[in-house]
Amino acid sequence: NAGVMQNPRHLVRRRGQEARLRCSPMKGHSHVYWYRQLPEEGLKFMVYLQKENIIDESGMPKERFSAEFPKEGPSILRIQQVVRGDSAAYFCASSPTGQEIYGYTFGSGTRLTVV
Amino acid sequence: EDKVVQSPLSLVVHEGDTVTLNCSYEVTNFRSLLWYKQEKKAPTFLFMLTSSGIEKKSGRLSSILDKKELFSILNITATQTGDSAIYLCAVVREGKLVFGKGTKLTVNP
Repeated sequence: NAGVMQNPRHLVRRRGQEARLRCSPMKGHSHVYWYRQLPEEGLKFMVYLQKENIIDESGMPKERFSAEFPKEGPSILRIQQVVRGDSAAYFCASSPTGQEIYGYTFGSGTRLTVV
Repeated sequence: EDKVVQSPLSLVVHEGDTVTLNCSYEVTNFRSLLWYKQEKKAPTFLFMLTSSGIEKKSGRLSSILDKKELFSILNITATQTGDSAIYLCAVVREGKLVFGKGTKLTVNP
């Protein structure tokens, strides 16, 4: 059981480029959550997805950010035209169902640096 | 607005000391509270608390929830250098976690 796999671990992008962050949930988990951690801040919820569905995107910035969790393959968090303020650690968590009683398992995160 | 406040924000102790980390919350439709330990990688799960007054224990770590006063504490006894980490408190609300800023614990030898 490989756990929640995120890649890349580190990503450097120039301002204006696109960043694509990937998350493969634990085997048997069909619910994925993305969180962002800014320096000196706690983790902030971004989006909650189930296979092929966005359940809650209330934490996503309105522009430039999108997320998907296709039927096959990993969940992708996409940031278009990155700016310096997007520099942060992005964590993915997965759960077998949407109920917290089964817990949330986090990946090791992708650290995005925008230069 | 939902709020989770942890204190202190940072703490430096010596090996062998006992520490108490605090987490207070204001969340509508509270379901449960979770504690995580974050080193330089994935936050790892410590405890989930749903009922008041019932202590959860794992080795030197223990935690309890007070739903009337809206807070939880995490205790670590006989601290070791390996306990150095950021401890995160989070409340579950509608399927997502609302996190505090964390308490950075440093345990010196």
